[in-house]
Amino acid sequence: GENVEQHPSTLSVQEGDSAVIKCTYSDSASNYFPWYKQELGKRPQLIIDIRSNVGEKKDQRIAVTLNKTAKHFSLHITETQPEDSAVYFCAARGFKTIFGAGTRLFVKA
Amino acid sequence: EPEVTQTPSHQVTQMGQEVILRCVPISNHLYFYWYRQILGQKVEFLVSFYNNEISEKSEIFDDQFSVERPDGSNFTLKIRSTKLEDSAMYFCASRGFDGEQYFGPGTRLTVT
Repeated sequence: GENVEQHPSTLSVQEGDSAVIKCTYSDSASNYFPWYKQELGKRPQLIIDIRSNVGEKKDQRIAVTLNKTAKHFSLHITETQPEDSAVYFCAARGFKTIFGAGTRLFVKA
Repeated sequence: EPEVTQTPSHQVTQMGQEVILRCVPISNHLYFYWYRQILGQKVEFLVSFYNNEISEKSEIFDDQFSVERPDGSNFTLKIRSTKLEDSAMYFCASRGFDGEQYFGPGTRLTVT
């Protein structure tokens, strides 16, 4: 069935450094790729998304890249801050939305 | 800003009992979803609903589960005979045509 692989499962960075999270999807019908940030006990919040006709999208310190041929997409956070600490989920949507397993990001002050 | 709402925020039930989780999607949205998240694990797709019928469902969504849109505003998830392993956070989500999904705050279901 459809699957989304996400790596790494845990990522620890120093404040000010960059963080990169990578995902791979299997469903060729996927055409929409959102990224969610989830803080403990809260709902997933959309932070950025990209559609299959776009290769890269940026919003301030956050950027997402998509390689449709390789079925890879990545989240890049620059100049990380302690408040960026959370669990980040990638997802791929075709007929249904499949989430990755999540990356727990720790930003050390 | 419009939000998806869910009730109750926490539901405790005994094994074998039926529960109904309620959601009010954003009013002009067309697609509705239920997801579940077991504590510390990833968000898992359960079912999507469009045009008053199920459009997709996962293997988790077996005969014990059903969804309904009983009126123009509510969207419910029913679990007929709860099991211990149904304990999780259940998120409802909705989206407009080709738009992003908005998640509700979730209902924490505890089956004892």
